Amino acid sequence: KNEVEQSPQNLTAQEGEFITINCSYSVGISALHWLQQHPGGGIVSLFMLSSGKKKHGRLIATINIQEKHSSLHITASHPRDSAVYICAVSNFGNEKLTFGTGTRLTIIP
Amino acid sequence: KAGVTQTPRYLIKTRGQQVTLSCSPISGHRSVSWYQQTPGQGLQFLFEYFSETQRNKGNFPGRFSGRQFSNSRSEMNVSTLELGDSALYLCASSFGQGSRFFYGYTFGSGTRLTVV
Repeated sequence: KNEVEQSPQNLTAQEGEFITINCSYSVGISALHWLQQHPGGGIVSLFMLSSGKKKHGRLIATINIQEKHSSLHITASHPRDSAVYICAVSNFGNEKLTFGTGTRLTIIP
Repeated sequence: KAGVTQTPRYLIKTRGQQVTLSCSPISGHRSVSWYQQTPGQGLQFLFEYFSETQRNKGNFPGRFSGRQFSNSRSEMNVSTLELGDSALYLCASSFGQGSRFFYGYTFGSGTRLTVV
């Protein structure tokens, strides 16, 4: 079993829909990271969470430490949101990130 | 401010050769981590350097090595290339988790290595 599990693996939605991507982890962490990767390959860090909820524009990330679960929500989705979204976890004193397998999101106009 | 710069962007090498990839972190960042991304294995941690010292190493063979210079720029080297080393190699920089300035990681655009 992977330390970081994401679901769904693939998600196709219509423009404007509310999107939820889930991440569960099985190890103790200091922070959970949501990353976005476009087809060119570069990765953009969206959020770093250790508790609660963060919001940036149309993106919202939440984490439940007790349940070892995090969600990434996209409101009013747009075709430019199409990308691979990756959940990763880090531990105190260790810069190593452990990644989920990613969720490929496609938003259809 | 300038982002994380990785060079070269693309590279084609022959089996058995060696390759050196470069990563220039954001100014002020002292931690540089390297990752390998392949379709089969996803993103995997290679190693991390902080102030010229390797602090963490992933589960990769000794053919994979790296170093960090006093200006925090880092290089990784792969010797005796194998076909399976074909991948996107990404680096990420940060202030380091122990820093009060730590806000997460900034990734470079990656170097796509093809071994033929």
